[in-house]
Amino acid sequence: ETGVTQTPRHLVMGMTNKKSLKCEQHLGHNAMYWYKQSAKKPLELMFVYSLEERVENNSVPSRFSPECPNSSHLFLHLHTLQPEDSALYLCASSQDTGGLTEAFFGQGTRLTVV
Amino acid sequence: DQQVKQNSPSLSVQEGRISILNCDYTNSMFDYFLWYKKYPAEGPTFLISISSIKDKNEDGRFTVFLNKSAKHLSLHIVPSQPGDSAVYFCAATAPGNQFYFGTGTSLTVIP
Repeated sequence: ETGVTQTPRHLVMGMTNKKSLKCEQHLGHNAMYWYKQSAKKPLELMFVYSLEERVENNSVPSRFSPECPNSSHLFLHLHTLQPEDSALYLCASSQDTGGLTEAFFGQGTRLTVV
Repeated sequence: DQQVKQNSPSLSVQEGRISILNCDYTNSMFDYFLWYKKYPAEGPTFLISISSIKDKNEDGRFTVFLNKSAKHLSLHIVPSQPGDSAVYFCAATAPGNQFYFGTGTSLTVIP
């Protein structure tokens, strides 16, 4: 148990569906992240939130829409995804962005787009 | 441009021997380095870290070495155990910056 919880663990969705991934942390951290992990690729940073403000958007397509309603929760809203978006989506949190701090990851959501 | 690189996608080691996983980086502003371990279908878990003011950090069977001049760090696991079989990610960060991850090295410890 890392203190970062992601739901659902698995998700299968059609290309016309709308779904949301949820991440929750009770570590008192100020920064939260969404990463995408595809096979044989490095972890790709998608979004960074610091104190509920989005501080980084790594050229992510608009079919991915993040939301951070408070410092403990992070959502990733999905709509009209493509099959190549199938991947493991990981949420992480850290005390602050960068510096002498570790990022703690959730278990991930395995997304399959059909 | 990938700022953190792990050039060995896989490594096999006999149980009881030393596992050495390598990582190179390009950004001289990085001041904190981390290793994560990942099992299939799970998120990465933090293993060990080192700040740029040190050249070695040890935690039980795990030791991380940092060579700033070469922009290289390594993770030593000794003795290696079958339960250490996983994918190991190297990461680096600088103040106010994101975490940059390598592509990972899949370690297999053979009983």
